[in-house]
Amino acid sequence: DAGITQSPRYKITETGRQVTLMCHQTWSHSYMFWYRQDLGHGLRLIYYSAAADITDKGEVPDGYVVSRSKTENFPLTLESATRSQTSVYFCASSLRDGTYEQYFGPGTRLTVT
Amino acid sequence: KQEVTQIPAALSVPEGENLVLNCSFTDSAIYNLQWFRQDPGKGLTSLLLIQSSQREQTSGRLNASLDKSSGRSTLYIAASQPGDSATYLCAVKETSGSRLTFGEGTQLTVNP
Repeated sequence: DAGITQSPRYKITETGRQVTLMCHQTWSHSYMFWYRQDLGHGLRLIYYSAAADITDKGEVPDGYVVSRSKTENFPLTLESATRSQTSVYFCASSLRDGTYEQYFGPGTRLTVT
Repeated sequence: KQEVTQIPAALSVPEGENLVLNCSFTDSAIYNLQWFRQDPGKGLTSLLLIQSSQREQTSGRLNASLDKSSGRSTLYIAASQPGDSATYLCAVKETSGSRLTFGEGTQLTVNP
C-alpha cells in the first residue's frame, strides 16, 4: 500500500526490554521523523533523518536509537525501555525540508509496564 | 525556544456554525505553519500549509490565515458538520532546523 505505515500498532513491553518500532514509506521522501505524543506535552521530535545514513537528534532523544540504511525505512529502537517511554509514537515523512508538508503515519501506542 | 499555544483547548458548537480556531507562536522566524486534524486513536492528517510569505490558504470549507509579525494563525471552518469533530493541531517550522513545534491542539465537537 502506498503511504506511510507503522508497525506494530500496539505494543506492551516490560521495563528494561529492547523494543523496535518500524516505519516504512513508499513515497521516496528524503526526510523522515519520529515524534512522541503525550498529554501535557503535545508532540515532540525524537529524531529525524535527512537521507539514508544521515540522522540527527530532536528535542527528546535520550533512551532512543535510530538508523536509516534504506530511504524507505526508519526504525526507532528503545534500547532499555522505561515507564516514562510509555507514549504514542508517530513517524512522519517529508519530500524535502523547508517548504514541504510532513505526512504522518497512524501511530504506535507503546505501553511499558 | 519556540512555543506554540492553541486557545481554546476545547470547543463545542452546534452544526452549521462558522468557527475560528486560534494558534499563536512566540518566535516569528518561521518557515511555514501547518494545520493538522487528528481523530481519536489516529494519526495526523495535514489540512493546510501556509508558507511564511503567504497570508492565507484555502481548502474547501477551511481557510487558514497567517500573521507572522504578530505570531498568529487562525483556522476558519465554515458551516461546521459533525464530521468535523476532531482535535486540530497547528505546528510551525522554524527557519533553522527541520523540526516542527506543535501546539497541544483544540478539541472540536460539532453537535448535530
